[in-house]
Amino acid sequence: DVKVTQSSRYLVKRTGEKVFLECVQDMDHENMFWYRQDPGLGLRLIYFSYDVKMKEKGDIPEGYSVSREKKERFSLILESASTNQTSMYLCASSRGDQETQYFGPGTRLLVL
Amino acid sequence: DQQVKQNSPSLSVQEGRISILNCDYTNSMFDYFLWYKKYPAEGPTFLISISSIKDKNEDGRFTVFLNKSAKHLSLHIVPSQPGDSAVYFCAATYSGTYKYIFGTGTRLKVLA
Repeated sequence: DVKVTQSSRYLVKRTGEKVFLECVQDMDHENMFWYRQDPGLGLRLIYFSYDVKMKEKGDIPEGYSVSREKKERFSLILESASTNQTSMYLCASSRGDQETQYFGPGTRLLVL
Repeated sequence: DQQVKQNSPSLSVQEGRISILNCDYTNSMFDYFLWYKKYPAEGPTFLISISSIKDKNEDGRFTVFLNKSAKHLSLHIVPSQPGDSAVYFCAATYSGTYKYIFGTGTRLKVLA
C-alpha cells in the first residue's frame, strides 16, 4: 500500500511567520504534488516536482516555495504566512505521467 | 477558467438507490479521467478511472461513463450505502503532462 504522510494534521501560525509543511512518500514515486483545498474551489495545484531538485509551478504558486532534496520528501514553504493562506494543504505522489495520485491526510493550517 | 466542472455542490440519495454524480470538462485534450472520494479530515482516495478510448468502466458498485462528444463524465453508485457519504472529486489529465485538473467536488449524502 502506498503511504503518503504529512508532518502535521493541524497547525496554527501567526501572520508573517515562515511555515514548513513536510510530506513523505514510501513508494519511490517520481512525482510529488502540493495542493490546497478550499470550499467551493476544489483542489488547486500549488507546485509539483517530477524529480529530485526539479519543480514546476502549478496554478497558484504565489506566496509559496518548495524543496525536494530527496526523492521521498517534498516540502512546501510559506515564506511569510498570510491569513489568505488559511486552508487545507494536501500532498500527493504518483509513479509517473497519467498514474493515479495518492494523497496524504492533509494539514489544516490556520493563519491568525 | 474552470476546465473541469462539477455543477452540483451537493446531492442526497436514499440508501439502496442509485447515486449519479456528474462532471463536465472543456479541454478536448483531456484523455484520462479519475474520480476521488474524500472523507472529512482525510486526504482524497482514488476510486475509479477511465481512459478516453473507453466509454465505460466498472468496479463493483461504481461505474464511470464517458461521453466524449458531450465532454461529460458521470459516476454511478449502485446501490448507494451510508458509507458512501463523502465529497467526490472528478479529475482530468492528458498525455505528456503531470498535472491533474480537479473539479470543485460534490458532497454526497446517503440517507439511511
